[in-house]
Amino acid sequence: DVKVTQSSRYLVKRTGEKVFLECVQDMDHENMFWYRQDPGLGLRLIYFSYDVKMKEKGDIPEGYSVSREKKERFSLILESASTNQTSMYLCASSLYTGAYSEAFFGQGTRLTVV
Amino acid sequence: ELKVEQNPLFLSMQEGKNYTIYCNYSTTSDRLYWYRQDPGKSLESLFVLLSNGAVKQEGRLMASLDTKARLSTLHITAAVHDLSATYFCAVDMMETSYDKVIFGPGTSLSVIP
Repeated sequence: DVKVTQSSRYLVKRTGEKVFLECVQDMDHENMFWYRQDPGLGLRLIYFSYDVKMKEKGDIPEGYSVSREKKERFSLILESASTNQTSMYLCASSLYTGAYSEAFFGQGTRLTVV
Repeated sequence: ELKVEQNPLFLSMQEGKNYTIYCNYSTTSDRLYWYRQDPGKSLESLFVLLSNGAVKQEGRLMASLDTKARLSTLHITAAVHDLSATYFCAVDMMETSYDKVIFGPGTSLSVIP
């Protein structure tokens, strides 16, 4: 089974802190994604990566950055956390660009910024 | 810009009844996915629809895709309580060099005994 693992289920951080959310997948997928999920807004794409060291902005990249130094690991960084970044963050991976395959999701990280 | 809409956003139905959830999208695509999310849990893939006219069925759920109408449906037959969840459709924009998948807002389904 594909496994996508996020490092934390729940996080509480203070405004202005630098926050790292880690995601690891074990199926050698090329694509990895970070979404945030907010009530009534569905899932919104923050960043995605289609290869090591490659990244593309999604629809809401402001206030976030990402890092993909190894194929299996994709990190989301909040440079200076703010209260409007309180949300559920979901990491996902999919096989490779052009493949007719769905994304597999991690269990999510619920981040609260106080 | 691709927009994905779902209708209805909230659905309360009795066990044994049938209903359909609609997913409309605003640009050309022939790849559409349906996911399920249980409360407090992550998303689980239900269906992958890859061409016009595609139909897939799993138990009491059936999904279809009409790429000309830019419409997908998720039909629920004889609903049971276990189907209570939030259902998302997602459309692949199929950018030239990478996949960009946009999700709808989700339909929260509650099946009442």
